[in-house]
Amino acid sequence: QVQLVESGGGLVKPGGSLRLSCAASGFTFSDYYMSWIRQAPGKALEWVSYINSDSSHTHYADSVEGRFTISRDNAKNLLYLQMRSLRAEDTAVYYCARVLYYGSSRYYFDNWGQGTLVSVSS
Amino acid sequence: DIQMTQSPSTLSASVGDRVTITCRASQSISSWLAWYQQKPGKGPKLLIYKASSLESGVPSRFSGSGSGTEFTLTISSLQPDDFATYYCQQYNSYSTFGQGTKVEVK
Repeated sequence: QVQLVESGGGLVKPGGSLRLSCAASGFTFSDYYMSWIRQAPGKALEWVSYINSDSSHTHYADSVEGRFTISRDNAKNLLYLQMRSLRAEDTAVYYCARVLYYGSSRYYFDNWGQGTLVSVSS
Repeated sequence: DIQMTQSPSTLSASVGDRVTITCRASQSISSWLAWYQQKPGKGPKLLIYKASSLESGVPSRFSGSGSGTEFTLTISSLQPDDFATYYCQQYNSYSTFGQGTKVEVK
């Protein structure tokens, strides 16, 4: 069955950096777009970024554009999120999710990981 | 950006109740809407896509309807496992989630 396991979260100071990883199994990773979605404590879900299957196209929410970089290693079945210039408002549980993409920027998420917590605080 | 508004924010219900959650889009999204269930400490689970298509393995007591700007998620007979928070997501243009509806024990 599809399994997505995030890691790399932790406590970081404002302005710091962190790299999240997501290990995928149970499906052909290289066939799918992948995405990161976050959820601040007690808040709703917020889409962060997606990457297409061969890494030729990425897209970011305005709130993280220029600070976060999504990437993937299809040989290792790994998805990454490099986060720089972190702010207090980036504090959230970060989920990786498998994307079902329908073209024209239409996509939803059919499998999610359990999440990893990122806390940004001095 | 397309905004999604769910109502109610919290819903108190009993096992066996019929439950309806509403999601409104700030502009037409055709049928490009998904519903998710989230339990504490877990990632969301896909229930419904394309407004009314039931994801494989999801019990048939869950159903979705609507198009354009107004959508509903209905649980025909609430079960103990259904107490959770539910989110809608538009995917007509990128992705936006509603703020969530918590279904709690009455």
